[in-house]
Amino acid sequence: DSGVTQTPKHLITATGQRVTLRCSPRSGDLSVYWYQQSLDQGLQFLIQYYNGEERAKGNILERFSAQQFPDLHSELNLSSLELGDSALYFCASSPQTGGAYEQYFGPGTRLTVT
Amino acid sequence: AQSVTQPDIHITVSEGASLELRCNYSYGATPYLFWYVQSPGQGLQLLLKYFSGDTLVQGIKGFEAEFKRSQSSFNLRKPSVHWSDAAEYFCAFSSASKIIFGSGTRLSIRP
Repeated sequence: DSGVTQTPKHLITATGQRVTLRCSPRSGDLSVYWYQQSLDQGLQFLIQYYNGEERAKGNILERFSAQQFPDLHSELNLSSLELGDSALYFCASSPQTGGAYEQYFGPGTRLTVT
Repeated sequence: AQSVTQPDIHITVSEGASLELRCNYSYGATPYLFWYVQSPGQGLQLLLKYFSGDTLVQGIKGFEAEFKRSQSSFNLRKPSVHWSDAAEYFCAFSSASKIIFGSGTRLSIRP
């Protein structure tokens, strides 16, 4: 158990809908990262927050957005969902920001868009 | 361009045999290097990391990796694999706040 929790574990929704994925980092970790893992794209970094502020952006679509709240939990919002958004979404946390810190991954949320 | 290459998509080894998973990176300086393992239906777990110093690093579950600057490689090794090692293995490097993962190598274990 990494100490990172993600809810829900599974999510099934229809095209065009909007969903919110939630992540609680390890106690004391200030950085939160979001990743998308799919069979064709592999593991793709989406976005990072550090202590409530956006720190780095990866391959995140404009239909997707995220935020980190004062209690350091984070939410990833996916809107106007398409079939191709079906994937595993992972959250990870680290104590600080910077390349020297390993990331601790949550168990993921499996999103299925029908 | 910064990248991580894992040339082997799928490897099958016999239980008890030795293992080496390859990883090459492209980056202008010495990056921070990691190996993660992902069991089916699970998140990624850190096996080991290299920042500086001794180029041979020891990790959990009996794994080790060797950093070779001249070859831009960070290969993962284990002298004797167990059936429980069957999983997907990801090499990654980070610089500043960006981390780049390789495409992964799926390891199967032959009884």
